[in-house]
Amino acid sequence: AQKITQTQPGMFVQEKEAVTLDCTYDTSDPSYGLFWYKQPSSGEMIFLIYQGSYDQQNATEGRYSLNFQKARKSANLVISASQLGDSAMYFCAMREGGGGATNKLIFGTGTLLAVQP
Amino acid sequence: NAGVTQTPKFQVLKTGQSMTLQCAQDMNHEYMSWYRQDPGMGLRLIHYSVGAGITDQGEVPNGYNVSRSTTEDFPLRLLSAAPSQTSVYFCASSYLQFNSPLHFGNGTRLTVT
Repeated sequence: AQKITQTQPGMFVQEKEAVTLDCTYDTSDPSYGLFWYKQPSSGEMIFLIYQGSYDQQNATEGRYSLNFQKARKSANLVISASQLGDSAMYFCAMREGGGGATNKLIFGTGTLLAVQP
Repeated sequence: NAGVTQTPKFQVLKTGQSMTLQCAQDMNHEYMSWYRQDPGMGLRLIHYSVGAGITDQGEVPNGYNVSRSTTEDFPLRLLSAAPSQTSVYFCASSYLQFNSPLHFGNGTRLTVT
């Protein structure tokens, strides 16, 4: 069964510094996708970035990048030049894509990031 | 473009009462799903649907029913509310394309006393 693990319940980072949020996953399906979402204190879920298992390069979206290490089954989110508005809960999620896949997206337990001025 | 619309935003129920959480999307997404979010447990999948007339169970389906009579709507029914169902509920939808991200509603905060 697919599983997502986020081992950091909470993290602090100084404004303007970079921060890495960890995510490891477990799947036997060679075809899968990894997603990161941001949930600010207002509660909405915001999609940040996607990485496919067959993508040759690490995904990037503005200040967000994915450190994808397939052999280690990790997909860590890197936020560069942190801003106060980055303070939020961050969720890693995975979707399997092999035969019989159901399109389900399974989430980790999240990491609460606090950016300090 | 409304996206995913959930109602109500807040609800208080007494144990044993029933209610329906409404979810509608206007993006013609084939896939729709319901999650519950509890502190320290992330988002857990309750039920999902890959198209009208097709539903299936997620990780935590007990106590909840769903139906999908149209592409747009995916209501979640609590048949007999229990305090353990106190949570924040999210409806989300996407295309069936593998790399299609989920679009979320704004959530429903449900308290069962």
